Amino acid sequence: EAQVTQNPRYLITVTGKKLTVTCSQNMNHEYMSWYRQDPGLGLRQIYYSMNVEVTDKGDVPEGYKVSRKEKRNFPLILESPSPNQTSLYFCASSPAQGAYVFFGSGTQLSVL
Amino acid sequence: QKEVEQNSGPLSVPEGAIASLNCTYSDRGSQSFFWYRQYSGKSPELIMSIYSNGDKEDGRFTAQLNKASQYVSLLIRDSQPSDSATYLCAVNMFRETSYDKVIFGPGTSLSVIP
Repeated sequence: EAQVTQNPRYLITVTGKKLTVTCSQNMNHEYMSWYRQDPGLGLRQIYYSMNVEVTDKGDVPEGYKVSRKEKRNFPLILESPSPNQTSLYFCASSPAQGAYVFFGSGTQLSVL
Repeated sequence: QKEVEQNSGPLSVPEGAIASLNCTYSDRGSQSFFWYRQYSGKSPELIMSIYSNGDKEDGRFTAQLNKASQYVSLLIRDSQPSDSATYLCAVNMFRETSYDKVIFGPGTSLSVIP
């Protein structure tokens, strides 16, 4: 089954405690990205990657890091989480530039 | 002007009626258009894509595209309570100095009343 798998589904943490949200896709897609979704603000892109070792900032990259060491994996790292990073996060992959985006099931993050 | 705009709703329609969802976009060069459905707390799910002017039908869903007016719509016929969700319009935006990017609208909340 084609899918984007992200973990964990729910995460509660405290300010300043480093965390990683994992993301893996099995569709051999070159393009992967991370979004956050907040009420009233819609989906906002955090980072994207066009291929292995190629990443770039999206619209709201501050406070986040990513890496793309393998084509299938694209983890999101919060080095020092803050309460304003409480949000619903989605990993996504896409077969080509500007093509449809296929989303993971989401990670609800709460930073206390 | 925002790049992709939608009426936020909520849009309420009775069961069995036609729901009409609208979207406008700013980039005249856009070539790919998508409609996603998102249930509360779930991930967006692609339901329709359209690339050419005119209508594209898939079951109870019809996407309509008018590039001259920079307008794309989604019609849902015979609306069911299970169609109650937020519908996101997404548009491919050409970027000369970076990769083409899919921009999402804010979404329209649809409620189908039994």
